[in-house]
Amino acid sequence: NAGVMQNPRHLVRRRGQEARLRCSPMKGHSHVYWYRQLPEEGLKFMVYLQKENIIDESGMPKERFSAEFPKEGPSILRIQQVVRGDSAAYFCASSPGQGGISVDYGYTFGSGTRLTVV
Amino acid sequence: DQQVKQNSPSLSVQEGRISILNCDYTNSMFDYFLWYKKYPAEGPTFLISISSIKDKNEDGRFTVFLNKSAKHLSLHIVPSQPGDSAVYFCAASKNTGNQFYFGTGTSLTVIP
Repeated sequence: NAGVMQNPRHLVRRRGQEARLRCSPMKGHSHVYWYRQLPEEGLKFMVYLQKENIIDESGMPKERFSAEFPKEGPSILRIQQVVRGDSAAYFCASSPGQGGISVDYGYTFGSGTRLTVV
Repeated sequence: DQQVKQNSPSLSVQEGRISILNCDYTNSMFDYFLWYKKYPAEGPTFLISISSIKDKNEDGRFTVFLNKSAKHLSLHIVPSQPGDSAVYFCAASKNTGNQFYFGTGTSLTVIP
C-alpha cells in the first residue's frame, strides 16, 4: 500500500521558468492538501482540494500559483515564472474521503519536493 | 502571524532520560492538537494527538499534555532513544477547519 507519492523529489528551475509538482494521494484518499516549508519556518498551508474541486485556497499566493486535482491522475501544484523566494520544500498530504482532517491520525504526508530556483 | 509557536529550535537529551518539547498557541478556537515527527529528506509523520476536551493522551513512550488556560501543550518522550532524534512539529486545527497550523519545529537530539 503505497503512501503519498510526490515527484520529483528535487527540482531546479531558473528564474522565470515554470515548476510543476505532482502528488498522488494514498489509495482510497480523495482529499489532497499542499503545504510549503520555507527555510527556518514551519509548514504553511496552501490549498485543499478534492477531486475536480478546490475547497480552500486561502493559503495560496494570489499570483503565479495554481493547483488542480483532476478526476484522473495526480494533483498538480503549478508555479509560473518562479522567483528565488519560491525556493522551499513543498509537501503534499492526503486524507480519506469522509471529509476533512482527522484528529485521530492527522494527514499522511509525502516526502516532499524540494524546489530550488537559481 | 505565527499562531503556533515552538520557542526552542533545538533540544539535546541523554538516552534514557525524558525529552520535553513545548508548544504555545494563540488562537482559542483551536480544538485539536497534533505532534508530527520529521526526519531529514522525509515528510512529517503523525505521532500523537489530543482533543481540547482532554488534558492528557498517552501512547507508549509518548505523552501529550494540554493546558488550555495557558494555551500550552507539551510532548514528553520517556525514555528517550537515539532513534527519536528528529524534528518535532506541533500542529493545531479548528473543528471546522481544513488545515493544520504548524509550529516552526524543535530539533531533538538524543545522545547515546
